[in-house]
Amino acid sequence: GAVVSQHPSWVICKSGTSVKIECRSLDFQATTMFWYRQFPKQSLMLMATSNEGSKATYEQGVEKDKFLINHASLTLSTLTVTSAHPEDSSFYICSARGPQKETQYFGPGTRLLVL
Amino acid sequence: GESVGLHLPTLSVQEGDNSIINCAYSNSASDYFIWYKQESGKGPQFIIDIRSNMDKRQGQRVTVLLNKTVKHLSLQIAATQPGDSAVYFCAENEAGNQFYFGTGTSLTVIP
Repeated sequence: GAVVSQHPSWVICKSGTSVKIECRSLDFQATTMFWYRQFPKQSLMLMATSNEGSKATYEQGVEKDKFLINHASLTLSTLTVTSAHPEDSSFYICSARGPQKETQYFGPGTRLLVL
Repeated sequence: GESVGLHLPTLSVQEGDNSIINCAYSNSASDYFIWYKQESGKGPQFIIDIRSNMDKRQGQRVTVLLNKTVKHLSLQIAATQPGDSAVYFCAENEAGNQFYFGTGTSLTVIP
């Protein structure tokens, strides 16, 4: 149980385009999901907390208009990187609070490469 | 946010030996800790957790030790195998709020 999936796994796009990444909790409902980005050989950096039915809470320094988050259902949160640029290239990982509301379970990540 | 750091960024061990990965945390109010394993190109995978009312917890081949006095957490892997090669993160949590992650330790198992 407590499986989290992400789609797509890989995405390569041109500079200026927008990219949507999906995060799904497959066998449980997640009222709270989290979005992280990770650069090579570095730790996870929390970008925002996604709450079902309400606006996301963004960490300091993360542009909310750049990284749009929608959590429309109890099993799906989406992150849209708008007008992507090469510096947005990164590994984006989502997580969801498990059924016990304590442990976080992570998705497999989405690697974004902006050319 | 609170800082969680790892003492050793890299660790190499011989296959079959035991591995010990260390983590220091700074928030004395943290009451829940998790160790995650992250293989290259994949998301972090839950390994084991421990609450602050415990000093030790064992899983399959893994043991987590918590020393609240010095705010130190360790992960012990018994009989390390090549499949254990990965980056290991500790994460701390206070009262169900946000998790804070350490910088990670890269474990390499030498066959």
